[in-house]
Amino acid sequence: QSVLTQPPSVSEAPRQRVTISCSGSSSNIGNNAVNWYQQLPGKAPKLLIYYDDLLPSGVSDRFSGSKSGTSASLAISGLQSEDEADYYCAAWDDSLNGYVFGTGTKVTVL
Amino acid sequence: QVQLQESGPGLVKPSQTLSLTCTVSGGSISSGGYYWSWIRQHPGKGLEWIGYIYYSGSTYYNPSLKSRVTISVDTSKNQFSLKLSSVTAADTAVYYCARSERYCSSTSCYTYYYGMDVWGQGTTVTVSS
Repeated sequence: QSVLTQPPSVSEAPRQRVTISCSGSSSNIGNNAVNWYQQLPGKAPKLLIYYDDLLPSGVSDRFSGSKSGTSASLAISGLQSEDEADYYCAAWDDSLNGYVFGTGTKVTVL
Repeated sequence: QVQLQESGPGLVKPSQTLSLTCTVSGGSISSGGYYWSWIRQHPGKGLEWIGYIYYSGSTYYNPSLKSRVTISVDTSKNQFSLKLSSVTAADTAVYYCARSERYCSSTSCYTYYYGMDVWGQGTTVTVSS
């Protein structure tokens, strides 16, 4: 079981906004950069957010990240059918001495 | 742009060693500045970090796999490799290789500050007799 906890699933109608939470601790989110990845069905993960809230070049600005204390969030605005995917948060964990991924959240566009 | 491609046997027998290679194209491992990682995903499950290597050969492994994992680099072939020994059915997974840019502050260097920005397509490995 991962030390980064995400809701198993979220769903919302097209053009709406969803938020995915990622709950950790002081040894991971609280002290290290949070990254977010999107994994479309049958595909490799893709980097969405790095260092908590920064977007890599080419990533839609409908995606945004934030962090407060030991929790992080990913928001998707203007939800589109192409956003249906699994989303993972990740961070280095100083106690486990490794990079940990969140439990993953499946986003469904109704 | 940089691309990664995993290769290796799709079927490995229990107790044997799983060996995979990631070939880097469009960029040189030996130029430095990047870490090269392995990640796996069990069927229908989440992502699990296995470890990484720097071009110099320095490595860091997931403590839960450390006793069985070896990651190496061959800069002449622009490849890095994963070996996982004594495999069981629990090692059946899709294995990905990925790149992350090294970030150094005035006091420390970080592996995943910028996240893993380039991934291979993944290769499925089944452990079965």
